[in-house]
Amino acid sequence: GAVVSQHPSRVICKSGTSVKIECRSLDFQATTMFWYRQFPKKSLMLMATSNEGSKATYEQGVEKDKFLINHASLTLSTLTVTSAHPEDSSFYICSAREPGQGIGELFFGEGSRLTVL
Amino acid sequence: GNSVTQMEGPVTLSEEAFLTINCTYTATGYPSLFWYVQYPGEGLQLLLKATKADDKGSNKGFEATYRKETTSFHLEKGSVQVSDSAVYFCALSPLGGSNYKLTFGKGTLLTVNP
Repeated sequence: GAVVSQHPSRVICKSGTSVKIECRSLDFQATTMFWYRQFPKKSLMLMATSNEGSKATYEQGVEKDKFLINHASLTLSTLTVTSAHPEDSSFYICSAREPGQGIGELFFGEGSRLTVL
Repeated sequence: GNSVTQMEGPVTLSEEAFLTINCTYTATGYPSLFWYVQYPGEGLQLLLKATKADDKGSNKGFEATYRKETTSFHLEKGSVQVSDSAVYFCALSPLGGSNYKLTFGKGTLLTVNP
């Protein structure tokens, strides 16, 4: 089946620095990708919908200047956490929809764990 | 708004035991319902789905029935295996079909011991 890969799987950074997380669809073209955030013992929270060639659509309460999303090609979307702070520490997960997939069926990446010191 | 509530984990079972993970939802109209599974070190994978009331989704011995009257989509398996150890997420997709946004429950960690 289709594969979505994230990189890095783990990243530790200092407070105030920026971190970029990549999400790639390996064997299909994803016109739409989704970025989720998962807090410990809580459900996945949709942060934004990333559309190839256009601006991302952010969910209410998500700071677009804080979480920069770029979907420059049909196989790559990036999430940049700018000026990261300890409260940004979390597990970030991307997903993508392959054209023709059924309602709600998505392929997910392995997730990226961000720790901000 | 939409929400999904699933039973708190962790759940620990012996091999060949019966599994139930409860899931209830709140949504407008008739959403599509899903169970996703996340094996250690891997991304979430779709396990099964149901798109209308009374539908039964099934895969790999797991089953879940869309119950509109109780707004539930409980996951069951008659005989679990060690390889079923994973985190299970219940999720819904709103009515409409064009909206691929998923609302997830918190996840339930299942550990199956030999």
